[in-house]
Parts: sequence; structure tokens; C-alpha cells
Amino acid sequence: GESVGLHLPTLSVQEGDNSIINCAYSNSASDYFIWYKQESGKGPQFIIDIRSNMDKRQGQRVTVLLNKTVKHLSLQIAATQPGDSAVYFCAEDGRDDKIIFGKGTRLHILP
Amino acid sequence: KAGVTQTPRYLIKTRGQQVTLSCSPISGHRSVSWYQQTPGQGLQFLFEYFSETQRNKGNFPGRFSGRQFSNSRSEMNVSTLELGDSALYLCASSVVGSGELFFGEGSRLTVL
Repeated sequence: GESVGLHLPTLSVQEGDNSIINCAYSNSASDYFIWYKQESGKGPQFIIDIRSNMDKRQGQRVTVLLNKTVKHLSLQIAATQPGDSAVYFCAEDGRDDKIIFGKGTRLHILP
Repeated sequence: KAGVTQTPRYLIKTRGQQVTLSCSPISGHRSVSWYQQTPGQGLQFLFEYFSETQRNKGNFPGRFSGRQFSNSRSEMNVSTLELGDSALYLCASSVVGSGELFFGEGSRLTVL
């Protein structure tokens, strides 16, 4: 069925280190994946996306990796900063333009 | 360019009442989606509208309904409120077919 999940509900990372947030999806028909960031008191904000014909896509300090064989998605944040503290959601589009979100991972930045 | 505007931001209702939430999308965005966010269930898809037509619907009971007007503004309604309807209701607008959703700050509903 359609479900998107994350491996860990909370992740703590030292400031300056790299963060890796993981996501597993179940709909093999999904062809488009997105990562969103939600800061406290705000709505989710688009970070980066990737289509199923790609394995990797890079943005500014962020990289998304897609492994279709095991239906796994990850978000890598380089040189994590205090402003990266938020809840991160992966989301998928199952070809019907319905964007389904996972439950989220809370990223804590340690000083 | 103004962002997505949701009203009201906060509201308190009692069981059995109904509520209407409003969403004004970003100018030029004709697709509007609604999500319910709770601590236990995360972001759950309610419905999506485009050109005043509901294109997609999530797995919510018929008490949850919505509509879209010709200016792309959207409303959602929840009738016969239950305690479990307490949540943050998020509206997002987008260019149709795009996964890049632009969210408002949400309407936080508390049902007593």
C-alpha cells in the first residue's frame, strides 16, 4: 500500500558534523520523492526532490540518495548547523499527484 | 510574493460542532492540498483541489469535506467534531503536478 516511513524518530548530531536521515517507502510505483523540513510553529518547507530515474541529487549542503532496489531514500546534510534543527519528512508521489508524507525525524543539533 | 495564508490560526470547538478553515494559495497556484498533522500520525493527506474539482482524496470519513473557489481559494469543513479531530490542519498550494508544495502555517484546532 501507500506508506512512507522513517527509520528513526529522533537524530542527534554534533554541530559541524554531517547528518544522515533515512526513509523507507513501500509504493514501488512512486516515481518522485521529496524532502521537507518543518521548523517549530511553521509549515513544512521544500528542501530537495529526486525523480526515480536518478540515484543522487545535490543541492546546497544537502544531498538526496535514492536506492530503488531496496526502496530507500536518504537525506544528507553537510556541516550541520543550529538552523538545521527541525523535523524532516520524506514524501512520495505515487503517480497520482497525491503527495504522501512519512512520520518525520526530529534532528537535534548538539553544541 | 505573498505566501499561503490560512485562517483562523487557532480555534477551540466542542464535540459535535462544525468548523470551516480557509486557505488562500500563492498567486498563480491553482492546486491546493490539505493535510492533517498530529503527533501520532504525522502528516496525513486529506484532499487536493484543482480548478474547483477534487482530484484526490485521502482516507478520512465523510465528515471532512472541502471545496475550491474560482479564485483558487479553498475551504475545508469538518462536521460533528470529535476529540480526535484535534490537530494542526495544513494547507499547501502548488503548480499542478508539482511535488513542491508551499505550506501555510496551519490552523490549530482543539476539540474539547
